[in-house]
Amino acid sequence: AQSVAQPEDQVKVAEGNPLTVKCTYSVSGNPYLFWYVQYPNRGLQFLLKYITGDNLVKGSYGFEAEFNKSQTSFHLKKPSALVSDSALYFCAVRDMRAAGNKLTFGGGTRVLVKP
Amino acid sequence: DADVTQTPRNRITKTGKRIMLECSQTKGHDRMYWYRQDPGLGLRLIYYSFDVKDINKGEISDGYSVSRQAQAKFSLSLESAIPNQTALYFCATSEQSSYNEQFFGPGTRLTVL
Repeated sequence: AQSVAQPEDQVKVAEGNPLTVKCTYSVSGNPYLFWYVQYPNRGLQFLLKYITGDNLVKGSYGFEAEFNKSQTSFHLKKPSALVSDSALYFCAVRDMRAAGNKLTFGGGTRVLVKP
Repeated sequence: DADVTQTPRNRITKTGKRIMLECSQTKGHDRMYWYRQDPGLGLRLIYYSFDVKDINKGEISDGYSVSRQAQAKFSLSLESAIPNQTALYFCATSEQSSYNEQFFGPGTRLTVL
């Protein structure tokens, strides 16, 4: 079985400060990992993904994430947060060996960036 | 993503009523999915379809059914709605390869009284 944990329900940072949103995963095989963002009254938007290769992945809107296999983590980071980054962030995992191509989502982390 | 549309966007209904949520996409993707979102639980997969003749149950399919009318259309039905089906429902699409990301519609907020 595959699972994802986002240990923080909410993260608050001041504008201009670094932002980190944590994600850990569990799969039996090798993982495909994704980050999505949800703005109010909108669907989920894809930010970035890790499939293979370089552990540091760069995505949309200045976000990046680091894959750490030994810690089974895929934390999302942004060096300097903007007020417009305030949203709900979801980490998701797919086990390469899993049948049905299923994507499992974490519970989400609400990010609040204060001016 | 404007290429994935859902109707209706909001719906209030009563217990026992039959409800259909519709999803259309212009991305040309073969794979389509239905999820429900509940606070603190993330998104959970209800049903998915890899092509017009393929329908698969997700982790929470009880009380739901789907129809894949065409490559571009995937409908979700609640045969007899109950209050714990009150949630935000999302349709998503993806290309065939398993490492491709999914593209989501804007969601349907369903309230069952």
